[in-house]
Amino acid sequence: DTAVSQTPKYLVTQMGNDKSIKCEQNLGHDTMYWYKQDSKKFLKIMFSYNNKELIINETVPNRFSPKSPDKAHLNLHINSLELGDSAVYFCASSQGTAVSGYTFGSGTRLTVV
Amino acid sequence: RKEVEQDPGPFNVPEGATVAFNCTYSNSASQSFFWYRQDCRKEPKLLMSVYSSGNEDGRFTAQLNRASQYISLLIRDSKLSDSATYLCVVNPMDSSYKLIFGSGTRLLVRP
Repeated sequence: DTAVSQTPKYLVTQMGNDKSIKCEQNLGHDTMYWYKQDSKKFLKIMFSYNNKELIINETVPNRFSPKSPDKAHLNLHINSLELGDSAVYFCASSQGTAVSGYTFGSGTRLTVV
Repeated sequence: RKEVEQDPGPFNVPEGATVAFNCTYSNSASQSFFWYRQDCRKEPKLLMSVYSSGNEDGRFTAQLNRASQYISLLIRDSKLSDSATYLCVVNPMDSSYKLIFGSGTRLLVRP
């Protein structure tokens, strides 16, 4: 059983389109995250939700809108995609705070053309 | 200054070698520290937490020096399967939910 699963694994789309990435965890964790890993492999936090409530929004453009329907799911919707959005997006989860580390999903490789 | 800094490498070592990576962090109030491992085109995976007293897990030893604000990872008897990027990770004081990742140190273990 996959602990943190993301779909799709790959996404190729044109500039200006709107796309969504889904994330689900079956670990019973109450905190979920979205991270972006750019071409230089730098992992940067975007959002964090605890029990469906937004607790971190790391100055991400408002074209990015996370939604957490329940504590096991955190989806990411991106409007008006730009070339600079091309990256690998990782979902992660933790039980409570990050002091015990995260479990990551396998990533979604987004390419905007 | 970056919050977490690492030498990008690559470190190219023969099998059986001992290799050490260091990492420095800028926020002296940081509270938790980790090493993650990331294989090519895969997700980061927790390798080990780093405790003030130092800790060991098999061939891997992690040390924390709070006074100098650096973290180290020592790998003994390197295996080909240790080839990966090693990410130094810090939990800053301003948010207990956030982890700050270094850009990673790449290790290549050759036969």
